[in-house]
Amino acid sequence: DQQVKQNSPSLSVQEGRISILNCDYTNSMFDYFLWYKKYPAEGPTFLISISSIKDKNEDGRFTVFLNKSAKHLSLHIVPSQPGDSAVYFCAASNSGYALNFGKGTSLLVTP
Amino acid sequence: DVKVTQSSRYLVKRTGEKVFLECVQDMDHENMFWYRQDPGLGLRLIYFSYDVKMKEKGDIPEGYSVSREKKERFSLILESASTNQTSMYLCASSSIRWQDSYEQYFGPGTRLTVT
Repeated sequence: DQQVKQNSPSLSVQEGRISILNCDYTNSMFDYFLWYKKYPAEGPTFLISISSIKDKNEDGRFTVFLNKSAKHLSLHIVPSQPGDSAVYFCAASNSGYALNFGKGTSLLVTP
Repeated sequence: DVKVTQSSRYLVKRTGEKVFLECVQDMDHENMFWYRQDPGLGLRLIYFSYDVKMKEKGDIPEGYSVSREKKERFSLILESASTNQTSMYLCASSSIRWQDSYEQYFGPGTRLTVT
């Protein structure tokens, strides 16, 4: 049973605009959330994270928002750049050990 | 910088062969993980280990086993490879220090094809 869901398999955005990637989860015990970015033929790389005690975390062009009541988080990329084109995975943890990953959203940023 | 290395980037094996995938990390991390990534299915956890000689099943352990004899090395074993085990295999490690305990560092992956 998928506990972390990314319902949009793909997203296309123009360069310079905002990219918004969404993630929903079902397990209310999750206390930490992460976003990973993955290029083809490479391992995922950590992008940004947020603890459940916060509702926003920002790092440069990347901001993650958490809405615990809706069990929803989103990743905002502003402004989007062609190099941001990749697959983005949302992940959640309730133990500090294993991460539960979503199926990923493929982002394409067009010039 | 954390470095997680995997023994092969690409591997082709025949059905029924025993396959070993090796992973080494150089950051003295306690936790190590094996995932497989398939199109439309995301990353699925096969096994993880939180200490030497300790292992826990993940979501899809069937057909796999693991070995962790040393802290820095975590091996995934396909006892008898089958075509449905054709996939990208990803190894990861993480620390148990509270402030670091959630972030996992991934290796480059091994693309395994079973024919």
